[in-house]
Amino acid sequence: AQSVTQLDSHVSVSEGTPVLLRCNYSSSYSPSLFWYVQHPNKGLQLLLKYTSAATLVKGINGFEAEFKKSETSFHLTKPSAHMSDAAEYFCVVRGGGATNKLIFGTGTLLAVQP
Amino acid sequence: EADIYQTPRYLVIGTGKKITLECSQTMGHDKMYWYQQDPGMELHLIHYSYGVNSTEKGDLSSESTVSRIRTEHFPLTLESARPSHTSQYLCASSEVGEQYFGPGTRLTVT
Repeated sequence: AQSVTQLDSHVSVSEGTPVLLRCNYSSSYSPSLFWYVQHPNKGLQLLLKYTSAATLVKGINGFEAEFKKSETSFHLTKPSAHMSDAAEYFCVVRGGGATNKLIFGTGTLLAVQP
Repeated sequence: EADIYQTPRYLVIGTGKKITLECSQTMGHDKMYWYQQDPGMELHLIHYSYGVNSTEKGDLSSESTVSRIRTEHFPLTLESARPSHTSQYLCASSEVGEQYFGPGTRLTVT
């Protein structure tokens, strides 16, 4: 069965410093992995996705993630945080079968200090 | 930006009322989903649909029901709202791969 574990429930960084949000996955086959962002009182927006092509995936707003099979990790990074990055981030793995169900992590709340 | 819409965005309603949360998408996706999300928590799948006239219950048990009469429309109904139904409800659609989410409906039952 597929699952994801987000290792930090809260991360706080200063504006202009790097962001690292950690995610480990478990999958019985080559997974499809996603990062979504949710701003307060909004729906979810896709940041980036990994679907077994390049292991370094670039997303929107300067975010990127690296798929590391040996470490079963898919950490999200950004070189320089902006105040507008403050939000909840979800690491997600696609479940198996034709349903295209997504399995969500518990989320990481990113705070950006001025 | 994904073309998926939810109405109402916010709803405050009394116990025992019947409510329908609307969800529509203009992308022609066959698959649609309803999630429930409590504040600061992860999303839980409560219903999904493969296509017209196809609906299934999700991983989290819910007293709500859904219908899929048209490809673009996937409404969720609560016959008798209770305070325990207070939550955010998110609708999504997809083909293969990523899902596209609507803005959500924040429901409060008093």
